[in-house]
Amino acid sequence: GAGVSQSPSNKVTEKGKDVELRCDPISGHTALYWYRQSLGQGLEFLIYFQGNSAPDKSGLPSDRFSAERTGGSVSTLTIQRTQQEDSAVYLCASSPYRTGYEQYFGPGTRLTVT
Amino acid sequence: DQQVKQNSPSLSVQEGRISILNCDYTNSMFDYFLWYKKYPAEGPTFLISISSIKDKNEDGRFTVFLNKSAKHLSLHIVPSQPGDSAVYFCAASAHYGGSQGNLIFGKGTKLSVKP
Repeated sequence: GAGVSQSPSNKVTEKGKDVELRCDPISGHTALYWYRQSLGQGLEFLIYFQGNSAPDKSGLPSDRFSAERTGGSVSTLTIQRTQQEDSAVYLCASSPYRTGYEQYFGPGTRLTVT
Repeated sequence: DQQVKQNSPSLSVQEGRISILNCDYTNSMFDYFLWYKKYPAEGPTFLISISSIKDKNEDGRFTVFLNKSAKHLSLHIVPSQPGDSAVYFCAASAHYGGSQGNLIFGKGTKLSVKP
């Protein structure tokens, strides 16, 4: 079946512009996660959605970052007024399990802020 | 403060030999551990997991060992194949004691298997 898809695969933007990254999770998966991976670093948790519950936003690095999940499916991560330190690969994952168990990742969006 | 540490950024192994990837953790509340494999330009793919009630889990060429007293786990790949060349991430989570239970990832170890 179809895996997690993300778009765009690559995004180059100028400092100060806003960007939107999209994630289509695996159908039926109730949990959705956003991570980012900066160069040479591990996966940094950003935000977690589980069903209709309020999202866990504890990993968002600043108020320039926000995310929503419409209809319990597609999710959009928005970064406002991008900075060069926002350059990273942004990964989305979904899971049929409650948090802390196996997650299935998309290919990621490589964001470059110039 | 890293809760999950992979102290070897890279490892090179000859094809057919054993690859041993190590991971240490600091949070004694962690009760579930996973290994992911990542190829360039792809997302991580789940490889194998182990619950803290076990000390070993095996799946084909892949075996994960957990030493709770040492807060250490390792992934053994036998025999190693060139297609195993990738970055391997260790991850851990805690489901009790009020924890959120999110996966905490290490920084990864890049494995190169030479023909």
